[in-house]
Amino acid sequence: DAGITQSPRHKVTETGTPVTLRCHQTENHRYMYWYRQDPGHGLRLIHYSYGVKDTDKGEVSDGYSVSRSKTEDFLLTLESATSSQTSVYFCAISEPGQGGTEAFFGQGTRLTVV
Amino acid sequence: SQKIEQNSEALNIQEGKTATLTCNYTNYSPAYLQWYRQDPGRGPVFLLLIRENEKEKRKERLKVTFDTTLKQSLFHITASQPADSATYLCALTGTASKLTFGTGTRLQVTL
Repeated sequence: DAGITQSPRHKVTETGTPVTLRCHQTENHRYMYWYRQDPGHGLRLIHYSYGVKDTDKGEVSDGYSVSRSKTEDFLLTLESATSSQTSVYFCAISEPGQGGTEAFFGQGTRLTVV
Repeated sequence: SQKIEQNSEALNIQEGKTATLTCNYTNYSPAYLQWYRQDPGRGPVFLLLIRENEKEKRKERLKVTFDTTLKQSLFHITASQPADSATYLCALTGTASKLTFGTGTRLQVTL
């Protein structure tokens, strides 16, 4: 795997509590992404970052916020977790180039909101 | 709205045969189309990228075609092996290199 580490790998939390997921990369890639994967929906983009302190919303950003204070770290925060946010979350990185851009994914974080 | 369709039903084929997976899209004009492999409990792994001006791309036993008129990509695995069993995801590249994924097709290769 490319140098991407997600933490935690598994988490169970209660409805209404805040949760932060961390993505750490050692590849110095400029772009970082958070996706969620649910049965029947595939991978959907939550938020992404195109540089330190530069972030933007994806397809399913409601209820989520992100921060990127360093190139290597991209945090995803659920301000007040809901059961609909039970999912598997994947972080991805890429370095844009003229030849096209492949993405490298982390191992995923399985989050259960009870 | 943009839509990417992959056959959601599992594809079962016999070892040694060629597996062909389909990706259709609408309301999209991607510069690139990518294919990923995903094994249970793991993140997707990049396989191949094809540009809009390319008709075909090959890598070992893998072949991808891209027809921008039909808005379709075909993904072929020749001489398939049980180790090829996985879910295969089609993804289109948009602005900021954001990927929009299909729901994937599960391939099962049997002996």
